Amino acid sequence: DAGVIQSPRHEVTEMGQEVTLRCKPISGHDYLFWYRQTMMRGLELLIYFNNNVPIDDSGMPEDRFSAKMPNASFSTLKIQPSEPRDSAVYFCASSLAAHRLDSKRPAYEQYFGPGTRLTVT
Amino acid sequence: AQSVTQLGSHVSVSEGALVLLRCNYSSSVPPYLFWYVQYPNQGLQLLLKYTSAATLVKGINGFEAEFKKSETSFHLTKPSAHMSDAAEYFCAVVTGANSKLTFGKGITLSVRP
Repeated sequence: DAGVIQSPRHEVTEMGQEVTLRCKPISGHDYLFWYRQTMMRGLELLIYFNNNVPIDDSGMPEDRFSAKMPNASFSTLKIQPSEPRDSAVYFCASSLAAHRLDSKRPAYEQYFGPGTRLTVT
Repeated sequence: AQSVTQLGSHVSVSEGALVLLRCNYSSSVPPYLFWYVQYPNQGLQLLLKYTSAATLVKGINGFEAEFKKSETSFHLTKPSAHMSDAAEYFCAVVTGANSKLTFGKGITLSVRP
């Protein structure tokens, strides 16, 4: 399996521009998570989906952020307009649903992509 | 609500020395706990997980962690540090029923030659 795929790996943009980050989860996974990592705030969960449906977007910092999952193999995180304080590494992760696992004690482990390093100048 | 605490932000050890990274949890239900490692410019990689099958959990790269309910701890250890272990380490706990994880702030491990 190729693992979680994110693109682009690096993005440099000017303040006010629209930014779109992309994620392809591991095939067959039911959950998809978007995280943001900064030195100041550490790793923050922004939003997550189950079977393409957003479950919890309480971590999305502002209305400038939006995320979609049009199908099981693709998700986007969009920032419009972007600001310098949005500069961070954005990670996508995916996992199986508990009931899909063979074990009686599901593991819930998430598999992370390599991240997109966003710089807004 | 479930949470984890990683005290301190940086640990430095000599190559060949014991590695001990601390994690304490708070949970009202039996927790599922994880340790992840992040190498520079990479995503997080699962080191090991605790799902109540055994209190001593062995992971990749010679790491292990012991679940101690009485101490609400899940500390990560490795008997002998290697230069390649230099990375950031995150403890995490399952929060809720939807595979959501809550991560600690992370600890940076440095290994001195």
